[in-house]
Parts: sequence; structure tokens; C-alpha cells
Amino acid sequence: DAGVIQSPRHEVTEMGQEVTLRCKPISGHDYLFWYRQTMMRGLELLIYFNNNVPIDDSGMPEDRFSAKMPNASFSTLKIQPSEPRDSAVYFCASTISLGGNQPQHFGDGTRLSIL
Amino acid sequence: QKEVEQDPGPLSVPEGAIVSLNCTYSNSAFQYFMWYRQYSRKGPELLMYTYSSGNKEDGRFTAQVDKSSKYISLFIRDSQPSDSATYLCAMSDDGSEKLVFGKGTKLTVNP
Repeated sequence: DAGVIQSPRHEVTEMGQEVTLRCKPISGHDYLFWYRQTMMRGLELLIYFNNNVPIDDSGMPEDRFSAKMPNASFSTLKIQPSEPRDSAVYFCASTISLGGNQPQHFGDGTRLSIL
Repeated sequence: QKEVEQDPGPLSVPEGAIVSLNCTYSNSAFQYFMWYRQYSRKGPELLMYTYSSGNKEDGRFTAQVDKSSKYISLFIRDSQPSDSATYLCAMSDDGSEKLVFGKGTKLTVNP
């Protein structure tokens, strides 16, 4: 079975531009998570969905960030307008159940650079 | 104080060495404890999972949880160059979908 698929793998854009990151979770997984990873702050949860519904967006840093999950097989994370401090690796993960007894499966991330 | 503290290293050991990686945490509600391994330019992947206190062994890997001290460890025996990666601890409270991660320890095993 295919794992979590993220696109693009790399994105370089100028400050002020809109950035859209995409994620396809593993089929049958009903939880989807968006994380951001930096050297300074490590891996931080931004938002997660259950059955396409946003459950907790308390980790979204600012109103410039938004996430949607229009169906069970697709999610987007959008930054508008982008700023240099948004540069990071963004990961999407999915899982099939609550708690820690099932692993979260991560994609290989989108490496975002804002110039 | 951060919820989860992990020494970022880097840690460099010779092949065959025993490696000890550790995390401390402050939230006594944490019940599920995990270790993820992250290779360069890849996403984290679950390596070990432990519920509550105790030890769990899987091949060359042993995970230990000491809830009284709020301290978890991962031991790697007979370390191999293929173990070179960043190791992240993660934990959650009972029934929570949210994981709290340590910053990760970068390990290099030299042949």
C-alpha cells in the first residue's frame, strides 16, 4: 500500500507569495495531521482532522495559515502571504485510531524556503 | 520548562557500541511513549511503542519508561551504520490523538 504522499517535495518562493502544500493520506486512515519541523522548535503539530473535520487548530501560528480537507484522500495547507520565518519542513501524517497504540505514518515532507 | 526535553546531540559512536538515548517530560498524564526514527530528508517512522511503565525489547532495541522519574530511554545494542539517523521521542496522554515530540537526537554510527 502506498504511504502518505506529499507534494511538492521542495518549494522555493519569494516572500508575500501564496504557498499551497498537498497531502494524500493512507487509504482508510481517518486522522490526518499537519506538522512543521525546524531546528529551533523541533516537530510541532499545526492542525489535525478526524473524518475530514478539523479537530484542533491551536498549533496554527497565525491567520496566514489555513488547512482544508475536502475529502478523505486529500488535504491542503496554505500560507498566504508567506514570510521568511515560515521556512521549514512541513510533514503530513495519518493514522487509523486514537492514542499512541497505532503509529502515525508520515510523508517525506515538503521543504519550504521563503526568500 | 518544555513538556518534553531531549538532548539534541549530536552523538557519534563506533560500530558495535551500545547507544543510550533519553528524554524527560513534565506532564504526568502521559501514558503512551514512542520512539520514532528519522533518516535524512525522510519523515519519522515509528520504531518502538510502550504503554505506561516498563521495558520493551525488539531485536537490538530496548525501550524503557520510568514514570516515577518522568524519564524514558532507548537502548541500541550492537549499533550499525544503518542506525545513523535522528531519534525522536514522542508521548501522549490517555486517548489523545496528539503526540508531543522531543526535538530529536542525531546519531552517527561510524564503521
